[in-house]
Amino acid sequence: GDSVTQMEGPVTLSEEAFLTINCTYTATGYPSLFWYVQYPGEGLQLLLKATKADDKGSNKGFEATYRKETTSFHLEKGSVQVSDSAVYFCALSGGGNNRKLIWGLGTSLAVNP
Amino acid sequence: GAVVSQHPSRVICKSGTSVKIECRSLDFQATTMFWYRQFPKKSLMLMATSNEGSKATYEQGVEKDKFLINHASLTLSTLTVTSAHPEDSSFYICSARVPGVSEQYFGPGTRLTVT
Repeated sequence: GDSVTQMEGPVTLSEEAFLTINCTYTATGYPSLFWYVQYPGEGLQLLLKATKADDKGSNKGFEATYRKETTSFHLEKGSVQVSDSAVYFCALSGGGNNRKLIWGLGTSLAVNP
Repeated sequence: GAVVSQHPSRVICKSGTSVKIECRSLDFQATTMFWYRQFPKKSLMLMATSNEGSKATYEQGVEKDKFLINHASLTLSTLTVTSAHPEDSSFYICSARVPGVSEQYFGPGTRLTVT
């Protein structure tokens, strides 16, 4: 079945460092891909998405490109801030009417000043 | 837009009692809502998919008689944890899907503690 594999954390960076969180997927068909973020003590928020191959999702300085050839959707940010400290989840939307989300295990990011 | 609320945000109940959690889509009609459980430092576990006006579809291993889900309207779904036990203590999160759009919008979650 469909699955998402996400790099394990925790990831600790200094402010203004470059961030990459790897995400690869296995899916039949053409899923939509998402990154969700969960800040401490809060619920999940959609960070960005891409719905077809070569699409680039971007938001708040974060970017991810839907790469069908490598089945990847890596999250990147050029210069992280302390406020980016959170848990990041990669997910794909499967087929069917309900479009269940298939989740990665989450990557915890801590950014130090 | 696409705001989802949950109530209560925190609840403490005694073993053996039941507790109801509400999930509302505030500015859109959600034909499909999802209920998740999140364990500490773990990913989300999908419990069930709730479609308005029909029975919920439960994931394997989730007891439907223990976790009662009702989706009575296009803006409200409820999860009732019946005969709660301490092992049911967890963070319960709902989400709603906007018709015609692939992403889900999440509520802020409900922290349930069973004593």
